[in-house]
Amino acid sequence: GENVEQHPSTLSVQEGDSAVIKCTYSDSASNYFPWYKQELGKGPQLIIDIRSNVGEKKDQRIAVTLNKTAKHFSLHITETQPEDSAVYFCAASKGANSKLTFGKGITLSVRP
Amino acid sequence: NAGVTQTPKFQVLKTGQSMTLQCAQDMNHEYMSWYRQDPGMGLRLIHYSVGAGITDQGEVPNGYNVSRSTTEDFPLRLLSAAPSQTSVYFCASSYIGSSTDTQYFGPGTRLTVL
Repeated sequence: GENVEQHPSTLSVQEGDSAVIKCTYSDSASNYFPWYKQELGKGPQLIIDIRSNVGEKKDQRIAVTLNKTAKHFSLHITETQPEDSAVYFCAASKGANSKLTFGKGITLSVRP
Repeated sequence: NAGVTQTPKFQVLKTGQSMTLQCAQDMNHEYMSWYRQDPGMGLRLIHYSVGAGITDQGEVPNGYNVSRSTTEDFPLRLLSAAPSQTSVYFCASSYIGSSTDTQYFGPGTRLTVL
């Protein structure tokens, strides 16, 4: 089955700097790659996703890039703010009707 | 819309006790699933359902049962609780076959088994 790995496991950045979180996946048939943000005591919430027919997608300060050849995708957060501090999960699936496989999560800390 | 709701928020059980974690969604989603979240392990799929009357096992199904009698509800049953089932449990739902596979998560149930 699919295996999703996330690196690093923790990341600390200064407010205003950029943060990049990388994930790799194993199944070349995967074609849907969402990113979830989990704040303390809450359930994960989708922040951005990308499909395999697209190389990059942006939404204000966040962007996701996908390299299908290398089987990795990355989350980019620019101009980080303290409220970006959370656990971020990447995931992969083969699209509709398919299960999501999650990475282990990364704790992002934004220092004021 | 209330989205995905879960009850209870917290629960303490003794080893061997049984209980049901409730999950409901009001978005008419076909797909519903249960995950457990443990430190350093991410989110692991327990069971899932693609519609009423249809359920299947995920990555870690042992010790858990599910049923899906309606589109809205997807309860998770612990038959005989064990300390290894101490975890935070999340229910999620989504549409199937549309242009989006966004899964919406509930707020979670924190379970402690003594």
